[in-house]
Amino acid sequence: NAGVMQNPRHLVRRRGQEARLRCSPMKGHSHVYWYRQLPEEGLKFMVYLQKENIIDESGMPKERFSAEFPKEGPSILRIQQVVRGDSAAYFCASSRTHNYEQYFGPGTRLTVT
Amino acid sequence: TQLLEQSPQFLSIQEGENLTVYCNSSSVFSSLQWYRQEPGEGPVLLVTVVTGGEVKKLKRLTFQFGDARKDSSLHITAAQPGDTGLYLCAGGLTGGGNKLTFGTGTQLKVEL
Repeated sequence: NAGVMQNPRHLVRRRGQEARLRCSPMKGHSHVYWYRQLPEEGLKFMVYLQKENIIDESGMPKERFSAEFPKEGPSILRIQQVVRGDSAAYFCASSRTHNYEQYFGPGTRLTVT
Repeated sequence: TQLLEQSPQFLSIQEGENLTVYCNSSSVFSSLQWYRQEPGEGPVLLVTVVTGGEVKKLKRLTFQFGDARKDSSLHITAAQPGDTGLYLCAGGLTGGGNKLTFGTGTQLKVEL
């Protein structure tokens, strides 16, 4: 029974490049959440998606960040023109329905050089 | 503003000791989860509490949700080195949708 899968586990990008982080939810889960953990800070909510819909993006930076969860395939968190401040661990979580327990993936560690 | 404050921030104890971690807020939560996170990994869900006053036990771990659903505690009996890790509480705010608000974390180290 596979858990939440994220890839890549580690990603290095130069300033100005694009970063694409992928998340496959647990089997049977149709709700996906993205969180960011900055160095020396706690986990912060970014965005909540269901298939083909963004439900809550109140934690997403206004520029350069976007997320999608297409009908087929994994959820994608996209960061355009990365800056050093984007270096962090990005975690995806999934749940079976809304208001249900969230299970986390292993995370993608993004390093911007 | 940090909605969920955990204490203590760091805890180093000997194997066999008991400990309690606290998670406090001035806000009401519809549910509260406890997670444990190892270095380089994602948080692993330990328990969910939803009813004020609820107590749940998971082997040597006891979780309690405050009557007013504003606070929670995690008690570990006879700690073992395998309990070492970062303990995080996370809550869903009443009326706040599905996003989780995470606590500041408690780093526990259990030594032989």
